[in-house]
Amino acid sequence: DAGVIQSPRHEVTEMGQEVTLRCKPISGHNSLFWYRQTMMRGLELLIYFNNNVPIDDSGMPEDRFSAKMPNASFSTLKIQPSEPRDSAVYFCASKRGANTGELFFGEGSRLTVL
Amino acid sequence: DQQVKQNSPSLSVQEGRISILNCDYTNSMFDYFLWYKKYPAEGPTFLISISSIKDKNEDGRFTVFLNKSAKHLSLHIVPSQPGDSAVYFCAASATGTYKYIFGTGTRLKVLA
Repeated sequence: DAGVIQSPRHEVTEMGQEVTLRCKPISGHNSLFWYRQTMMRGLELLIYFNNNVPIDDSGMPEDRFSAKMPNASFSTLKIQPSEPRDSAVYFCASKRGANTGELFFGEGSRLTVL
Repeated sequence: DQQVKQNSPSLSVQEGRISILNCDYTNSMFDYFLWYKKYPAEGPTFLISISSIKDKNEDGRFTVFLNKSAKHLSLHIVPSQPGDSAVYFCAASATGTYKYIFGTGTRLKVLA
């Protein structure tokens, strides 16, 4: 079975540009998470979807960040406009069910904003 | 406000010895805890979990201990192997919620 698939793996862009990160969760998983990893804060939860519906986006840093899940097999995280402080590794994760259970992570998208 | 804390950013251990990674939490509602391992340029992978109804869970070389009164959990790796060198994250969740709150990670280096 394919795991969580993220693209691109690496993105280098200039400040002010729009960035779109993509995620395909594991088939049959109905919970999807976007995390951001930084040295200072570890893995921060940005947004959580359950059955394609955003449940909690309180971790989204500001209005420049938006996320969508148009169907059960695809999600995007968009940053517009991007800033150097957005540089981090962004992970998508999915799991079956809404409560406890193992989270499966993708390999991450490393974003560098110059 | 860091609800899950891993106060040791790094740890070095000799091959064959025990590695002990620590994690503290502040939210008394947390009742499910997980450990994840992360290699460079890869996503975190699940290692072991424990529910608050237990105080110990063991899986091969990995054992997680939970001390609810101290709001503390630890991961023991015995014996440590060079392939265990990675960043280890602890995470916590509360029943009825979906949020997995992660710590900042501990980088373990097992020396051959």
